Amino acid sequence: GDSVTQMEGPVTLSEEAFLTINCTYTATGYPSLFWYVQYPGEGLQLLLKATKADDKGSNKGFEATYRKETTSFHLEKGSVQVSDSAVYFCALSDLGGGADGLTFGKGTHLIIQP
Amino acid sequence: NAGVTQTPKFRILKIGQSMTLQCAQDMNHNYMYWYRQDPGMGLKLIYYSVGAGITDKGEVPNGYNVSRSTTEDFPLRLELAAPSQTSVYFCASSDGTGKFGQPQHFGDGTRLSIL
Repeated sequence: GDSVTQMEGPVTLSEEAFLTINCTYTATGYPSLFWYVQYPGEGLQLLLKATKADDKGSNKGFEATYRKETTSFHLEKGSVQVSDSAVYFCALSDLGGGADGLTFGKGTHLIIQP
Repeated sequence: NAGVTQTPKFRILKIGQSMTLQCAQDMNHNYMYWYRQDPGMGLKLIYYSVGAGITDKGEVPNGYNVSRSTTEDFPLRLELAAPSQTSVYFCASSDGTGKFGQPQHFGDGTRLSIL
């Protein structure tokens, strides 16, 4: 079945550092790919998405490119801020379009120090 | 602009008690979901619904029940609470399955402890 693997955390960076959170997936075709963010005490919020190969999703300075050849969707940001501290989840859609929808990775806890 | 509303936010139950976690959405979404989130384990799907009157099991349905009598509401029922059900529960809704990029919209969660 489908699966999502993302780097283990916590990831600790200094403010203004460059961020990469790796995400790879296993699927039999071309799923849609998502990054969600969860701030402390809140639910998940959609950060960005991409629906086909070579698409780049972007939002709030974060970017991720759908790479079919490496089955990856790595999250990047050029200069992180303390306010980016959160848990980040990579997810993919169910290829069959089944209503059970999204498969999530286990999440990566990001800590940004001033 | 309420989105997905979950109540209560926190609850402590004794073993064997029952309770209902409430979830309501005001976006007229057909698809609704219940997840549990355990530390370091990501989200696991408990039940989902594709519309009023239709529900189906997810990955971890044992010990839970759901109903969907209206488009707006999707309550989750715990009949005999067990310590293994201590978790954070999230409800979500969507206007599609995600196959074409439709995102899920999440509530703020219910933190449940079974003692």
